[in-house]
Amino acid sequence: AQSVTQPDIHITVSEGASLELRCNYSYGATPYLFWYVQSPGQGLQLLLKYFSGDTLVQGIKGFEAEFKRSQSSFNLRKPSVHWSDAAEYFCAVGFLSGGYQKVTFGTGTKLQVIP
Amino acid sequence: GAGVSQSPRYKVAKRGQDVALRCDPISGHVSLFWYQQALGQGPEFLTYFQNEAQLDKSGLPSDRFFAERPEGSVSTLKIQRTQQEDSAVYLCASSLAGSYNEQFFGPGTRLTVL
Repeated sequence: AQSVTQPDIHITVSEGASLELRCNYSYGATPYLFWYVQSPGQGLQLLLKYFSGDTLVQGIKGFEAEFKRSQSSFNLRKPSVHWSDAAEYFCAVGFLSGGYQKVTFGTGTKLQVIP
Repeated sequence: GAGVSQSPRYKVAKRGQDVALRCDPISGHVSLFWYQQALGQGPEFLTYFQNEAQLDKSGLPSDRFFAERPEGSVSTLKIQRTQQEDSAVYLCASSLAGSYNEQFFGPGTRLTVL
């Protein structure tokens, strides 16, 4: 069965500092990988996704992630964090099941940004 | 156009009551998903519809949970005889047909069972 581990429950960074959120997955084949962001009272918004091809993926809001098969990782990065980036971030892995994406989410990393 | 909407946004139920949670997907989206998000956890898959057909209900935690999408658009998740462990945020997502399409999420319904 597929699974996702986000080892950091909570991270605090200063505004303007760089950010890296860690994600490790377990899946037997090439995975479909996602990062979502969830602000309080809001639904999940897709930041970026990896299906195949270039292992460095660019997303919205200045985020990027790199797929490293040898490490089973898909870490999310941003060079300079803004106060508005404070939210909860979920890594997810998907696989095809009967023609649709069945997605498993990690437990999330809550990002706090301090001025 | 409008995104995925869910109602009510908040629901408080006494243990043993039945509840119904509604999801209005994005118009034209064939696929519809329900997820349960417990406090401090990531969303967990409950069930999947393709149009009106419920193709996967493997994530429904018990036979007290029932979902339907009779006309292939609006969906309702019903929980009978609610228990305290049912307290969670219930998220609905929809997508276009096909395996590679993004799921768009609604804001969720926060259910509290007292």
